[in-house]
Amino acid sequence: QQQVKQSPQSLIVQKGGISIINCAYENTAFDYFPWYQQFPGKGPALLIAIRPDVSEKKEGRFTISFNKSAKQFSLHIMDSQPGDSATYFCAASGGYSTLTFGKGTMLLVSP
Amino acid sequence: ETGVTQTPRHLVMGMTNKKSLKCEQHLGHNAMYWYKQSAKKPLELMFVYNFKEQTENNSVPSRFSPECPNSSHLFLHLHTLQPEDSALYLCASSQEATRGTEAFFGQGTRLTVV
Repeated sequence: QQQVKQSPQSLIVQKGGISIINCAYENTAFDYFPWYQQFPGKGPALLIAIRPDVSEKKEGRFTISFNKSAKQFSLHIMDSQPGDSATYFCAASGGYSTLTFGKGTMLLVSP
Repeated sequence: ETGVTQTPRHLVMGMTNKKSLKCEQHLGHNAMYWYKQSAKKPLELMFVYNFKEQTENNSVPSRFSPECPNSSHLFLHLHTLQPEDSALYLCASSQEATRGTEAFFGQGTRLTVV
């Protein structure tokens, strides 16, 4: 049973455009929702995270939107740049459950 | 540099070999993890150690054997592996296993089983 569903599997965005990646979760005990960024040959690194007491968190060009009632959260990358090309993973944890990852989204930002 | 160091970075082994992967964290964390990352598959959690005690084993075949001698070191002992075990093996650490805190990953060991 996949507890965190991520879409799309891959995404191509023009430079300067907005990249949007969506995730949905099932476990209502989850209370921590991070996004990880992974470049080829590297381990995943935390990009931004949110807790359910807020509906949105912004750090620079990266924004998480969180909808607790729908059990969904999304990552928005504004003004996408070629250097943002990477694989992005959403994740969730909480309620004695360790970090559970989505399947990942390969983002390509074309120049 | 994330504070989590994995060695070796690359490993090629035959199906009859025995090898070990090593992970060390310098972050003072109490939880350590092994993940398997295969092409086109999600990160698969293999083992979790919380305060040196194994708390999760996600139906991992016995040819993979973890060891956590202290909260800073984690090993994955490998023996009689199969070609389908070829993957990137990632180690991670966090403050605690069940609290929602950031997990820091190492760069991984790229394992090829021939």
